[in-house]
Amino acid sequence: KAGVTQTPRYLIKTRGQQVTLSCSPISGHRSVSWYQQTPGQGLQFLFEYFSETQRNKGNFPGRFSGRQFSNSRSEMNVSTLELGDSALYLCASTSETLSYNEQFFGPGTRLTVL
Amino acid sequence: GDSVTQMEGPVTLSEEAFLTINCTYTATGYPSLFWYVQYPGEGLQLLLKATKADDKGSNKGFEATYRKETTSFHLEKGSVQVSDSAVYFCALSDRGDYKLSFGAGTTVTVRA
Repeated sequence: KAGVTQTPRYLIKTRGQQVTLSCSPISGHRSVSWYQQTPGQGLQFLFEYFSETQRNKGNFPGRFSGRQFSNSRSEMNVSTLELGDSALYLCASTSETLSYNEQFFGPGTRLTVL
Repeated sequence: GDSVTQMEGPVTLSEEAFLTINCTYTATGYPSLFWYVQYPGEGLQLLLKATKADDKGSNKGFEATYRKETTSFHLEKGSVQVSDSAVYFCALSDRGDYKLSFGAGTTVTVRA
Protein backbone atom coordinates (compact mmCIF):
# COMPACT_ATOMS: atom_id res chain seq x y z
CA LYS A 1 0.00 0.00 0.00
CA ALA A 2 1.19 3.50 -0.71
CA GLY A 3 1.83 5.64 2.34
CA VAL A 4 0.43 9.01 3.23
CA THR A 5 1.32 11.58 0.61
CA GLN A 6 1.45 15.32 1.05
CA THR A 7 1.77 18.02 -1.55
CA PRO A 8 3.58 20.22 -2.04
CA ARG A 9 6.65 19.28 -0.04
CA TYR A 10 7.92 22.85 0.18
CA LEU A 11 6.20 26.21 -0.02
CA ILE A 12 7.37 29.77 0.30
CA LYS A 13 4.76 32.46 0.86
CA THR A 14 4.71 36.04 2.07
CA ARG A 15 2.81 37.52 4.97
CA GLY A 16 -0.87 38.10 4.29
CA GLN A 17 -1.14 35.43 1.61
CA GLN A 18 -3.11 32.25 1.99
CA VAL A 19 -2.00 28.68 1.39
CA THR A 20 -3.62 25.29 0.80
CA LEU A 21 -1.90 22.04 1.67
CA SER A 22 -3.06 18.65 0.49
CA CYS A 23 -2.95 15.19 2.04
CA SER A 24 -3.87 11.81 0.60
CA PRO A 25 -4.28 9.14 3.28
CA ILE A 26 -3.45 5.48 3.03
CA SER A 27 -6.08 3.67 0.99
CA GLY A 28 -8.95 2.61 3.24
CA HIS A 29 -8.14 5.06 6.02
CA ARG A 30 -11.00 7.44 6.71
CA SER A 31 -9.50 9.49 9.53
CA VAL A 32 -7.05 12.25 8.69
CA SER A 33 -5.33 14.47 11.24
CA TRP A 34 -3.12 17.50 10.82
CA TYR A 35 -0.26 18.63 13.05
CA GLN A 36 1.99 21.65 13.08
CA GLN A 37 5.64 21.16 14.02
CA THR A 38 7.82 24.12 15.02
CA PRO A 39 11.09 24.31 16.95
CA GLY A 40 9.46 26.43 19.64
CA GLN A 41 6.09 24.75 20.15
CA GLY A 42 6.91 21.22 19.05
CA LEU A 43 4.16 19.07 17.59
CA GLN A 44 0.69 20.49 18.00
CA PHE A 45 -2.61 19.00 16.91
CA LEU A 46 -4.59 21.11 14.45
CA PHE A 47 -7.69 19.06 13.62
CA GLU A 48 -9.00 15.66 12.68
CA TYR A 49 -11.48 14.72 9.98
CA PHE A 50 -13.51 11.56 9.54
CA SER A 51 -15.98 10.95 6.75
CA GLU A 52 -15.86 14.59 5.69
CA THR A 53 -16.65 15.84 9.21
CA GLN A 54 -14.33 17.61 11.60
CA ARG A 55 -14.34 15.53 14.78
CA ASN A 56 -11.71 17.27 16.84
CA LYS A 57 -9.95 20.59 16.79
CA GLY A 58 -6.87 21.95 18.50
CA ASN A 59 -6.24 25.43 19.86
CA PHE A 60 -5.47 27.31 16.68
CA PRO A 61 -7.03 30.52 15.40
CA GLY A 62 -9.78 30.49 12.82
CA ARG A 63 -7.25 31.29 10.09
CA PHE A 64 -6.49 27.58 10.11
CA SER A 65 -9.18 25.51 8.49
CA GLY A 66 -9.52 22.20 6.79
CA ARG A 67 -11.82 19.93 4.92
CA GLN A 68 -12.07 16.34 3.81
CA PHE A 69 -13.45 15.00 0.58
CA SER A 70 -15.51 11.90 -0.07
CA ASN A 71 -12.38 9.97 -1.11
CA SER A 72 -10.84 10.84 2.31
CA ARG A 73 -8.29 13.22 0.83
CA SER A 74 -7.92 16.28 3.00
CA GLU A 75 -6.80 19.86 2.59
CA MET A 76 -5.86 22.44 5.13
CA ASN A 77 -5.91 26.15 4.49
CA VAL A 78 -4.17 28.95 6.28
CA SER A 79 -5.35 32.46 5.50
CA THR A 80 -3.63 35.76 6.19
CA LEU A 81 -0.29 34.12 6.77
CA GLU A 82 1.93 35.31 9.61
CA LEU A 83 5.65 34.77 10.09
CA GLY A 84 4.87 32.45 12.98
CA ASP A 85 3.02 30.09 10.65
CA SER A 86 6.35 28.92 9.27
CA ALA A 87 6.44 25.27 10.19
CA LEU A 88 6.40 21.68 9.03
CA TYR A 89 2.79 20.61 8.58
CA LEU A 90 2.26 16.91 9.02
CA CYS A 91 -0.71 14.89 7.97
CA ALA A 92 -1.53 11.50 9.46
CA SER A 93 -4.14 8.88 8.68
CA THR A 94 -5.49 6.00 10.68
CA SER A 95 -7.77 3.03 10.27
CA GLU A 96 -10.77 2.74 12.54
CA THR A 97 -10.45 -1.04 12.41
CA LEU A 98 -7.52 -0.85 14.78
CA SER A 99 -8.17 -1.10 18.50
CA TYR A 100 -5.67 1.63 19.17
CA ASN A 101 -4.79 4.89 17.53
CA GLU A 102 -1.82 4.14 15.29
CA GLN A 103 -1.36 7.10 13.06
CA PHE A 104 0.66 6.91 9.87
CA PHE A 105 2.39 10.14 9.02
CA GLY A 106 3.27 11.69 5.71
CA PRO A 107 6.61 13.42 5.02
CA GLY A 108 5.14 16.84 5.69
CA THR A 109 4.92 20.15 3.89
CA ARG A 110 7.56 22.69 4.87
CA LEU A 111 5.95 26.14 4.81
CA THR A 112 8.14 29.22 4.99
CA VAL A 113 6.47 32.61 5.43
CA LEU A 114 8.59 35.63 4.52
CA GLY B 1 -5.63 18.27 29.82
CA ASP B 2 -3.38 15.52 28.62
CA SER B 3 0.32 16.22 28.51
CA VAL B 4 3.62 14.44 27.97
CA THR B 5 6.97 15.38 29.46
CA GLN B 6 10.10 13.82 28.08
CA MET B 7 13.78 14.15 28.75
CA GLU B 8 15.39 17.17 27.19
CA GLY B 9 18.16 16.57 24.73
CA PRO B 10 20.29 16.53 22.87
CA VAL B 11 21.74 13.17 23.77
CA THR B 12 25.05 12.09 22.26
CA LEU B 13 26.22 8.52 22.59
CA SER B 14 28.88 6.23 21.23
CA GLU B 15 27.92 3.20 19.20
CA GLU B 16 26.91 0.19 21.33
CA ALA B 17 26.08 2.41 24.31
CA PHE B 18 22.87 2.06 26.31
CA LEU B 19 20.13 4.57 25.57
CA THR B 20 17.30 5.61 27.83
CA ILE B 21 14.88 8.48 27.25
CA ASN B 22 12.51 9.29 30.09
CA CYS B 23 8.86 10.02 29.43
CA THR B 24 6.08 10.75 31.91
CA TYR B 25 2.50 11.62 31.17
CA THR B 26 -0.61 13.21 32.61
CA ALA B 27 -3.98 11.96 31.42
CA THR B 28 -7.48 11.80 32.82
CA GLY B 29 -8.31 8.35 31.49
CA TYR B 30 -6.39 5.29 30.37
CA PRO B 31 -4.41 6.45 27.38
CA SER B 32 -2.51 4.52 24.77
CA LEU B 33 1.19 5.38 24.75
CA PHE B 34 3.54 5.62 21.80
CA TRP B 35 7.09 6.33 20.82
CA TYR B 36 7.56 7.89 17.40
CA VAL B 37 10.86 8.49 15.62
CA GLN B 38 11.65 11.20 13.10
CA TYR B 39 14.67 10.91 10.82
CA PRO B 40 16.04 14.05 9.17
CA GLY B 41 13.77 15.39 6.46
CA GLU B 42 11.07 12.82 7.10
CA GLY B 43 7.73 12.50 8.84
CA LEU B 44 7.11 10.50 11.99
CA GLN B 45 7.27 6.73 12.16
CA LEU B 46 5.70 4.68 14.91
CA LEU B 47 8.48 2.94 16.81
CA LEU B 48 6.44 1.10 19.43
CA LYS B 49 3.21 1.28 21.38
CA ALA B 50 1.48 0.08 24.55
CA THR B 51 -2.24 0.22 25.05
CA LYS B 52 -2.68 -0.78 28.69
CA ALA B 53 -0.82 -0.86 31.99
CA ASP B 54 2.17 -3.21 32.18
CA ASP B 55 2.22 -3.70 28.42
CA LYS B 56 5.71 -3.73 26.96
CA GLY B 57 6.14 -2.34 23.48
CA SER B 58 9.20 -3.41 21.52
CA ASN B 59 10.62 -2.92 18.05
CA LYS B 60 14.08 -2.83 16.45
CA GLY B 61 15.75 -3.45 19.82
CA PHE B 62 13.87 -0.60 21.52
CA GLU B 63 11.58 -1.30 24.48
CA ALA B 64 9.22 0.67 26.69
CA THR B 65 6.88 -0.47 29.45
CA TYR B 66 3.59 1.25 30.32
CA ARG B 67 3.87 2.00 34.05
CA LYS B 68 0.56 3.29 35.35
CA GLU B 69 1.76 3.64 38.94
CA THR B 70 4.52 6.04 37.91
CA THR B 71 2.74 7.37 34.80
CA SER B 72 5.83 6.64 32.78
CA PHE B 73 6.82 5.11 29.46
CA HIS B 74 10.60 5.26 29.28
CA LEU B 75 12.33 4.24 26.06
CA GLU B 76 15.41 1.99 26.22
CA LYS B 77 17.80 0.31 23.85
CA GLY B 78 20.69 -1.81 24.98
CA SER B 79 23.14 -1.15 22.15
CA VAL B 80 22.61 1.81 19.82
CA GLN B 81 23.85 2.13 16.27
CA VAL B 82 24.70 5.17 14.18
CA SER B 83 21.48 4.55 12.27
CA ASP B 84 19.50 5.22 15.48
CA SER B 85 20.40 8.90 15.27
CA ALA B 86 17.04 10.68 15.09
CA VAL B 87 14.51 12.66 17.09
CA TYR B 88 12.33 10.56 19.40
CA PHE B 89 8.86 11.64 20.52
CA CYS B 90 6.78 10.20 23.31
CA ALA B 91 3.03 10.57 22.72
CA LEU B 92 -0.34 9.57 24.09
CA SER B 93 -3.92 9.42 22.97
CA ASP B 94 -7.04 8.89 25.01
CA ARG B 95 -9.23 5.92 24.20
CA GLY B 96 -11.50 6.65 21.28
CA ASP B 97 -9.67 9.88 20.54
CA TYR B 98 -7.54 10.27 17.44
CA LYS B 99 -5.65 13.24 18.75
CA LEU B 100 -2.04 12.63 19.73
CA SER B 101 -0.37 14.71 22.44
CA PHE B 102 3.39 14.77 22.01
CA GLY B 103 6.37 15.45 24.20
CA ALA B 104 8.94 18.00 23.09
CA GLY B 105 11.16 15.43 21.41
CA THR B 106 14.67 14.24 22.22
CA THR B 107 17.43 14.47 19.65
CA VAL B 108 19.75 11.48 19.79
CA THR B 109 23.10 11.41 18.00
CA VAL B 110 25.13 8.21 17.91
CA ARG B 111 28.81 8.51 17.03
CA ALA B 112 30.76 5.71 15.39
